[in-house]
Amino acid sequence: AQSVTQPDIHITVSEGASLELRCNYSYGATPYLFWYVQSPGQGLQLLLKYFSGDTLVQGIKGFEAEFKRSQSSFNLRKPSVHWSDAAEYFCAVGGYNQGGKLIFGQGTELSVKP
Amino acid sequence: GAVVSQHPSRVICKSGTSVKIECRSLDFQATTMFWYRQFPKQSLMLMATSNEGSKATYEQGVEKDKFLINHASLTLSTLTVTSAHPEDSSFYICSAPGTLATEAFFGQGTRLTVV
Repeated sequence: AQSVTQPDIHITVSEGASLELRCNYSYGATPYLFWYVQSPGQGLQLLLKYFSGDTLVQGIKGFEAEFKRSQSSFNLRKPSVHWSDAAEYFCAVGGYNQGGKLIFGQGTELSVKP
Repeated sequence: GAVVSQHPSRVICKSGTSVKIECRSLDFQATTMFWYRQFPKQSLMLMATSNEGSKATYEQGVEKDKFLINHASLTLSTLTVTSAHPEDSSFYICSAPGTLATEAFFGQGTRLTVV
């Protein structure tokens, strides 16, 4: 079955510290992988995506993610977190034959302490 | 980039009434659109796939008679929550695939509160 797992429901980091949000997926074909961020009461903003090629992808706001096929993972990282990064983060998977339909993980809530 | 506009952003309705939510692709055409539902502190769950010119495809467990979907044109899909009840209160988000249908562009979401 196709699924996305984000093991961490809630993470708290200090401002300026590094961040890694975990994402594991189960998908029968070549996955298209996405990270979205959602502020309270808001829609989704795409941080980055991976379709093919270089397994380390750069996104907006200083985020990056690395696709590791052997581990079925697509972890999101940021070297130095800012207070404005506090939000809900969703990992999602799709495929070339899914027509844009995505399966989302449970989300990870990020809190940033001063 | 492609823009998807969703309206209204917030709506409060009385129990038993119907509410219509619109999802528009502003600068591109979409033969397919997706409707998701998100409960507080939870993930997005796909409700249905809206297909222009044909019936929507509903996910298992979603009541098609309660959540009416109409894809009237290549830029507009609507979700109507009929006979709304408080348990229908949720955040509803639509999306439309881009040209290559490899990624999706999301609307801003609609917060529905049924009182």
